[in-house]
Amino acid sequence: EAQVTQNPRYLITVTGKKLTVTCSQNMNHEYMSWYRQDPGLGLRQIYYSMNVEVTDKGDVPEGYKVSRKEKRNFPLILESPSPNQTSLYFCASRLAGSNEQFFGPGTRLTVL
Amino acid sequence: QQQVKQSPQSLIVQKGGISIINCAYENTAFDYFPWYQQFPGKGPALLIAIRPDVSEKKEGRFTISFNKSAKQFSLHIMDSQPGDSATYFCAATGGYQKVTFGTGTKLQVIP
Repeated sequence: EAQVTQNPRYLITVTGKKLTVTCSQNMNHEYMSWYRQDPGLGLRQIYYSMNVEVTDKGDVPEGYKVSRKEKRNFPLILESPSPNQTSLYFCASRLAGSNEQFFGPGTRLTVL
Repeated sequence: QQQVKQSPQSLIVQKGGISIINCAYENTAFDYFPWYQQFPGKGPALLIAIRPDVSEKKEGRFTISFNKSAKQFSLHIMDSQPGDSATYFCAATGGYQKVTFGTGTKLQVIP
């Protein structure tokens, strides 16, 4: 089944404790992206990657890091999480030359 | 800076009625306007999309109306059903670049 997977789905952590949210897609998509969803703000892009080793900032990159060492994986790293990063996070992927994005199921993160 | 403005924030419609959600954009370089549907606990999924060379696109009960001169587009859900209850996001993008989303509309269809 073609899909985007994220792990973990739920995470409660404390301020300053480094964490990684994994994202993997099995559709051989070149483009991958991370979004955060907050009430009243919609989906805002954090980082995106156009291919292996090619990443760029989205609209809200502060406090986040990403890497793209393999085509299928695009982890999101929070090196020192803060409470304002409490949010619902989505990973998405798409083929180069296509506008249709496929989203993962989301990761709900709470930073205490 | 909100480049895609979406309204209303929430909408309650009776079963069988028409649901209408509106979006307005600023960047004239946008050339692809999708609508995503999101059910609770799920990621958004593409519902329907339009390019600015047409004024309307229909897929089943879902229609996008597009007004290029006004820089507005809207989603119409005909014969709304309780199963349509979800959050809807409009979005815009240009040249396969990053996507800008609206703030979302929570639709509730009551029996």
